[in-house]
Amino acid sequence: EAQVTQNPRYLITVTGKKLTVTCSQNMNHEYMSWYRQDPGLGLRQIYYSMNVEVTDKGDVPEGYKVSRKEKRNFPLILESPSPNQTSLYFCASSLGGTALGYEQYFGPGTRLTVT
Amino acid sequence: GQNIDQPTEMTATEGAIVQINCTYQTSGFNGLFWYQQHAGEAPTFLSYNVLDGLEEKGRFSSFLSRSKGYSYLLLKELQMKDSASYLCAADLLTGGGNKLTFGTGTQLKVEL
Repeated sequence: EAQVTQNPRYLITVTGKKLTVTCSQNMNHEYMSWYRQDPGLGLRQIYYSMNVEVTDKGDVPEGYKVSRKEKRNFPLILESPSPNQTSLYFCASSLGGTALGYEQYFGPGTRLTVT
Repeated sequence: GQNIDQPTEMTATEGAIVQINCTYQTSGFNGLFWYQQHAGEAPTFLSYNVLDGLEEKGRFSSFLSRSKGYSYLLLKELQMKDSASYLCAADLLTGGGNKLTFGTGTQLKVEL
């Protein structure tokens, strides 16, 4: 089944404790992206990647890191999480970049709480 | 800055037609996406417009006017399952690549 998977689905952690949210897709998609969704603010793009070893900042990259060492994986790293990073996180992938209008497939979401 | 506006909430009756508007004031506009998001679920793709005009896809149609910075999503023959949040998103050309900027979403409630 073609899908985007994220792990963990739910995470409660404490300020400053490094964490990684994994994202994997099995569709051989070139483009991958991370978003956070907050009430009243909508979906905001954190980072995106056009292909392996190619990443770029979205609208809210501060406090996050990403890497794209393999085509299928695009982990989101929070080196020192803070309470303002409490949010619902979505990973997405598409065959090509948004400039060509490709449909993005979203993962199920990761609900992160930082206390 | 980049600004995308949608109504926060709308209510419509089953079987009716509803139009959800989206206006944008952005630089580097390339195209516009619409996504549907049911409560507690991930967004799913509905449409993409890059040229002016109407794109029809079954019960859903999407319209774009680049000169007016305006788009709408038209839902016909509304069904209860259409109750969801509808997100418009502008694809924006930047120095480093293309970014996707979403509006805050329109929560549509379909009633009997």
